[in-house]
Amino acid sequence: DAGVIQSPRHEVTEMGQEVTLRCKPISGHNSLFWYRQTMMRGLELLIYFNNNVPIDDSGMPEDRFSAKMPNASFSTLKIQPSEPRDSAVYFCASSLLRREHGEQFFGPGTRLTVL
Amino acid sequence: AQSVTQLGSHVSVSEGALVLLRCNYSSSVPPYLFWYVQYPNQGLQLLLKYTSAATLVKGINGFEAEFKKSETSFHLTKPSAHMSDAAEYFCAVSPKGGGQNFVFGPGTRLSVLP
Repeated sequence: DAGVIQSPRHEVTEMGQEVTLRCKPISGHNSLFWYRQTMMRGLELLIYFNNNVPIDDSGMPEDRFSAKMPNASFSTLKIQPSEPRDSAVYFCASSLLRREHGEQFFGPGTRLTVL
Repeated sequence: AQSVTQLGSHVSVSEGALVLLRCNYSSSVPPYLFWYVQYPNQGLQLLLKYTSAATLVKGINGFEAEFKKSETSFHLTKPSAHMSDAAEYFCAVSPKGGGQNFVFGPGTRLSVLP
């Protein structure tokens, strides 16, 4: 089975440009999470969805960040306009929404560099 | 609010030595607990999880962890370190599991010396 798929794997852009990161969760999973990882701040949860509905976006750093999940098999994280401090590795993870456990499965990440 | 602490941001062991990575959590009720491993330039992979069954949990690659409620701990161990174990290890806690927000610890980088 395919795991969580993220694209692109690497993105280099200039300050002020729009960046869109994409995620395809594991088929059948109905919870999706976006994380950001930096050396300084470690792993931070940005937003998560249950059944395509955003549940908690308190981790989204600024209005420049937005995330959507138009259907169960696709999500995007957009940064507009991008800034150098947004440089990080962005991970998408998915899990199965249920009462018992339900570990998160992570994608390979998108390494974003904003010049 | 739940929180996770991992004592030691960097741990070094010799190949063949015992690996002990510490994790303590704060929670009003026993949560679900997880250990993830991140190899360089990769995403996080699940090593093992505690879900209120056996307190000693065995995971992949010879790792195991023991849930101790009295100590609010979930330390990760491996009897004999291998060079391939060098990675970053994250402890995480979840109140209920699936579809809930995980709280990740800051991570511990494990170095294995020849």
